[in-house]
Amino acid sequence: EPEVTQTPSHQVTQMGQEVILRCVPISNHLYFYWYRQILGQKVEFLVSFYNNEISEKSEIFDDQFSVERPDGSNFTLKIRSTKLEDSAMYFCASSGGTRESTQYFGPGTRLTVL
Amino acid sequence: KQEVTQIPAALSVPEGENLVLNCSFTDSAIYNLQWFRQDPGKGLTSLLLIQSSQREQTSGRLNASLDKSSGRSTLYIAASQPGDSATYLCAPYGNNRLAFGKGNQVVVIP
Repeated sequence: EPEVTQTPSHQVTQMGQEVILRCVPISNHLYFYWYRQILGQKVEFLVSFYNNEISEKSEIFDDQFSVERPDGSNFTLKIRSTKLEDSAMYFCASSGGTRESTQYFGPGTRLTVL
Repeated sequence: KQEVTQIPAALSVPEGENLVLNCSFTDSAIYNLQWFRQDPGKGLTSLLLIQSSQREQTSGRLNASLDKSSGRSTLYIAASQPGDSATYLCAPYGNNRLAFGKGNQVVVIP
């Protein structure tokens, strides 16, 4: 069964460093998302992406964050200058057909900022 | 902003009992609602999607109901098993995003 994959599973970085989290959505899906979950808290929406542009972003998704679909299969989230409070599990999700289709989540990347 | 509340936050039941997990949300302008399962330290597994025009959706031992106008959804799990132990998340979809509750943490005791 097709699934969303994410790499790396765990990333440790120093405060102020740039990180890129990678996702491979399900191959025929058209809508892509990033969410994050700080330990012990709710899953929070970051950004949605369709047709090579951002369709919606939350207040969390500030100028330090960017997304890209560089090659038609990967979907990346970049954090330019990480802060301690960026430590969280980051989930990529994709859905096919329409925006309202089922979203399928990847296993997540645990980001630890020291 | 959509606010999602799930009650109870945690529950323990003996194996074989039926589970009833409640979710309420503040903004009824939603397209659908998904229920997910999350195991500790893991990703989210989609269980059911119920469209805003539907009242119920069933998958195996799982049944989800939706009352969009009152902002409520309920997930029923029949004949619970120890493997059902997990956190269950309710997520209405609107404004191009899923909004999540904190979840119902379920322990099924053998």
